[in-house]
Amino acid sequence: GENVEQHPSTLSVQEGDSAVIKCTYSDSASNYFPWYKQELGKRPQLIIDIRSNVGEKKDQRIAVTLNKTAKHFSLHITETQPEDSAVYFCAASINYGQNFVFGPGTRLSVLP
Amino acid sequence: NAGVTQTPKFRVLKTGQSMTLLCAQDMNHEYMYWYRQDPGMGLRLIHYSVGEGTTAKGEVPDGYNVSRLKKQNFLLGLESAAPSQTSVYFCASSTVGRDLKETQYFGPGTRLLVL
Repeated sequence: GENVEQHPSTLSVQEGDSAVIKCTYSDSASNYFPWYKQELGKRPQLIIDIRSNVGEKKDQRIAVTLNKTAKHFSLHITETQPEDSAVYFCAASINYGQNFVFGPGTRLSVLP
Repeated sequence: NAGVTQTPKFRVLKTGQSMTLLCAQDMNHEYMYWYRQDPGMGLRLIHYSVGEGTTAKGEVPDGYNVSRLKKQNFLLGLESAAPSQTSVYFCASSTVGRDLKETQYFGPGTRLLVL
């Protein structure tokens, strides 16, 4: 079955700097890759996603890149702000959402 | 729209007791999921359903049963609770993928403590 790894497990950056979180997946049949943000005590919320037929997607300060050959995808956050501090999860899905496998999460701390 | 709701929000059980967690969604989504979240382990899929009357096992199904008798509801049952089932349980729903609407919407979570 699918296995998703995520690195780093914790990340501290200064406000205004960029943050990059990387995930790798094992099943080449995976075709949908969402990223979720989870604040303490709250539910995960989708922040950006990408399909396997696209190499990059951007939404304001957030971007995701996908390398299908290497089977990895990355989340890029630019101009980080304290409110970006949270746990970020990547996930991979086959059949565009029928079955999701999540990475273990990255705790991002943005220091003022 | 209430989105995805979960009942109860918090529960304490004794080992061996049973309980049912209820998930309801009002977005007419076909897919529904149950996850558990443990510290440092992310979200792990317990069971999921691709439509009314259907269920399938996820990554960690042992000790749980599910039912999807109505499209809007997805029930998670623990027949004989064990301390290892202490966790936060999240329900989620999504539409089918072919129309670019795979986004999962999560419920607020149920915190379960098994003593």
